[in-house]
Amino acid sequence: EVQVVESGGGLIQPGGSLRLSCAASGFSVSSDIMTWVRQVPGKGPEWVSILHSGGGAYYADSVTGRFTISRDNSKNTLFLQMNNLRVEDTAVYYCASRLTWGQGTLVTVSS
Amino acid sequence: QAVVTQEPSLTVSPGGTVTLTCGSSTGAVTSGHYPYWFQQKPGQAPRTLIHDTSNKHSSTPARFSGSLLGGKAALTLSGALPEDEADYYCLLYYNGPGVFGTGTKVTVL
Repeated sequence: EVQVVESGGGLIQPGGSLRLSCAASGFSVSSDIMTWVRQVPGKGPEWVSILHSGGGAYYADSVTGRFTISRDNSKNTLFLQMNNLRVEDTAVYYCASRLTWGQGTLVTVSS
Repeated sequence: QAVVTQEPSLTVSPGGTVTLTCGSSTGAVTSGHYPYWFQQKPGQAPRTLIHDTSNKHSSTPARFSGSLLGGKAALTLSGALPEDEADYYCLLYYNGPGVFGTGTKVTVL
């Protein structure tokens, strides 16, 4: 079965760091376009970052310089390292390939 | 950052046809924006319906189709079913970064 499962969310204070993981099965994260999308409940989704199969990465202006996308091919896992977190980063974070979405992991940034 | 605009809401009759559009503040939408379309129902994660303008997921019902229409990306639903009532979002890529559309709430009534 093709699926992705996110983990690593939680409650963190402003200025803190978190690393989200996205474990894939049924396909290789190194051979597909992988993205992170976040969504505040009740609002539309916000595109966060993309990692191309060739290694090229891009970020939304709102997270550039603070977030880093990467992958571990041996573990078939995508990551999102989030540093200097802000209250406005609070959202459900989804991992998605071109066709498959996970169920999301909630990140809450609050003091 | 570009602004991607969709109709806020559309209503379609059961069995009817409706076309959702996705426009860009930077000009005409082309295949180079790699348009995506997603469906989201309450309490669920988004689901990919269309990628790269018109390519379907294997699970995308045949009644959904994607195209470019009048300088915009378009999603056409032909033969609407009650279960198609949902929010629909497009996504465009701008030489790297992506931007989601504002979303369309489709009511089947």
